[in-house]
Amino acid sequence: QVQLQESGPGLVKPSETLSLTCTVSGGSISSYYWSWIRQPPGKGLEWIGYIYYSGSTNYNPSLKSRVTISVDTSKNQFSLKLSSVTAADTAVYYCAREMQLWGQGTLVTVSS
Amino acid sequence: QSVLTQPPSASGTPGQRVTISCSGSSSNIGSNYVYWYQQLPGTAPKLLIYRNNQRPSGVPDRFSGSKSGTSASLAISGLRSEDEADYYCAAWDDSLSGFWVFGGGTKLTVL
Repeated sequence: QVQLQESGPGLVKPSETLSLTCTVSGGSISSYYWSWIRQPPGKGLEWIGYIYYSGSTNYNPSLKSRVTISVDTSKNQFSLKLSSVTAADTAVYYCAREMQLWGQGTLVTVSS
Repeated sequence: QSVLTQPPSASGTPGQRVTISCSGSSSNIGSNYVYWYQQLPGTAPKLLIYRNNQRPSGVPDRFSGSKSGTSASLAISGLRSEDEADYYCAAWDDSLSGFWVFGGGTKLTVL
């Protein structure tokens, strides 16, 4: 069955860029919308943005100026970059297919 | 503050039926499908309901969803101890370029 796995640094310094990758296994990344969602510790869910396999994107207006999502169909992966991070960006970051199938999530802490 | 409004908590005893509400507006619930997720402690959210009232394979029929106007509800019948979790609603919002919005989550306690 299709599985999603997030990967990337668990610690990022303030003002730097957070970079994460989601690897899709058991199926092709071609077709479907692929999203990033985050959840600060003890808080609710926030949608960050999505990318269609063709490369078109849509971002949360509250994060749009700092977010870039890209796709690499040859590696069956899509990625998230969030720039100028602060402590408020500390969260568990999830990747998801069509908002239906989610990865297990990865905790990213922003701290010096 | 979340775009969709859910009660912060709900509770019930084993075997009971409980409902969790989700209130939105014409730009989200009023014109798009509602999704519901269950999040057990320390785990990723799991899809319970999609397209207002559809259950993915493997989700028990004790879970049901409904929508009316700009509000939606998740009902859980025959409540079990393993249903104790956080529940979130979500919908696409047509504002601006469009984006997904969530409710703040409801903590369900099985007494």
